[in-house]
Amino acid sequence: GAGVSQSPRYKVAKRGQDVALRCDPISGHVSLFWYQQALGQGPEFLTYFQNEAQLDKSGLPSDRFFAERPEGSVSTLKIQRTQQEDSAVYLCASGDGANVLTFGAGSRLTVL
Amino acid sequence: GIQVEQSPPDLILQEGANSTLRCNFSDSVNNLQWFHQNPWGQLINLFYIPSGTKQNGRLSATTVATERYSLLYISSSQTTDSGVYFCAVGDSNYQLIWGAGTKLIIKP
Repeated sequence: GAGVSQSPRYKVAKRGQDVALRCDPISGHVSLFWYQQALGQGPEFLTYFQNEAQLDKSGLPSDRFFAERPEGSVSTLKIQRTQQEDSAVYLCASGDGANVLTFGAGSRLTVL
Repeated sequence: GIQVEQSPPDLILQEGANSTLRCNFSDSVNNLQWFHQNPWGQLINLFYIPSGTKQNGRLSATTVATERYSLLYISSSQTTDSGVYFCAVGDSNYQLIWGAGTKLIIKP
């Protein structure tokens, strides 16, 4: 596609619910990143994929967070048993060979 | 790890003014990107500039890698330039370290 597409744009979840956030990267981009951005802060790295391989998941805050990219294209970030501190904007970016990043519009998660 | 500092943290200007935003980094990098996050949250990649100078319309950027800083110039500011400007640097093949950003407000 022409850009990075994320869905849903907004998600309200009750504490304890599971959520899944989708990212459709730019066609042909090998690299895919997930970031978490709290209000007033810069993006915080969560995880990195090269094709279908998850090469770095050091930024995932807990084992409730799980990301996958099974066919090297679309990626899903799953958060199990959501907590209020998970409320944030989740940003997906895809990168070209030099890892010049293009970001999606983000998914804003609010946990009540 | 690499430390990234951006200055100033906040900047308020009248429409039409020029501005310079600075990004200092603590170690050698092979990747440096400038981003603009608009008030609606969309992050736009402005420049990939690990060294040298680039220009795109009213925006230009210069990175002096040997002195470990980069500058983003905005000329003839418009209200649509408002938002947060982030510098992100990297020394590996993928990891980027982000600065805290410069919040720019352009008043009409």
